[in-house]
Amino acid sequence: EPEVTQTPSHQVTQMGQEVILRCVPISNHLYFYWYRQILGQKVEFLVSFYNNEISEKSEIFDDQFSVERPDGSNFTLKIRSTKLEDSAMYFCASEGIYGYTFGSGTRLTVV
Amino acid sequence: KQEVTQIPAALSVPEGENLVLNCSFTDSAIYNLQWFRQDPGKGLTSLLLIQSSQREQTSGRLNASLDKSSGRSTLYIAASQPGDSATYLCAVDGNNRLAFGKGNQVVVIP
Repeated sequence: EPEVTQTPSHQVTQMGQEVILRCVPISNHLYFYWYRQILGQKVEFLVSFYNNEISEKSEIFDDQFSVERPDGSNFTLKIRSTKLEDSAMYFCASEGIYGYTFGSGTRLTVV
Repeated sequence: KQEVTQIPAALSVPEGENLVLNCSFTDSAIYNLQWFRQDPGKGLTSLLLIQSSQREQTSGRLNASLDKSSGRSTLYIAASQPGDSATYLCAVDGNNRLAFGKGNQVVVIP
């Protein structure tokens, strides 16, 4: 069964550093997403991406966040200057005819 | 803004009992509704997708119903097993973004 792959599974970074989270969506899907889940809270929408541009973004997705599809397979989320409150599980997802498929997530810890 | 509520927040049942998990949402203008399973510290595994034109969907011991007009979905798990212990998340798809509930945390006692 096709999977969404995320790397790394865990990342620890110092406050103020830049991080890049990587994802390989399912190849024939057209819509890609990033969601995050702060410990003990709901999964929250960050951004959707279609046809090489942002389709929609939430109020969380401010100027410190950016997304990119640098080639035909990878989809990245960059956080420019991390804050303590960015610590969360970040999930990549892609959407097909059978709904959304999520990756296993990257646990980001900002210290 | 779509708000999704799941009741009960947590429940424990003895093995073999049927599980009934409830999800309600405030905006009935949805495309699909999807149920996921999440194990502690892990990703989201899709269980069932109900399209807005459907009333229910079944997969093995799982059955999910959807009543758009009243803003409700119910996930039934028949003959629960200890391996069903997890958090079950309801997610409502409204125009290319999912709104999640906080989940139903289930423990099945052997």
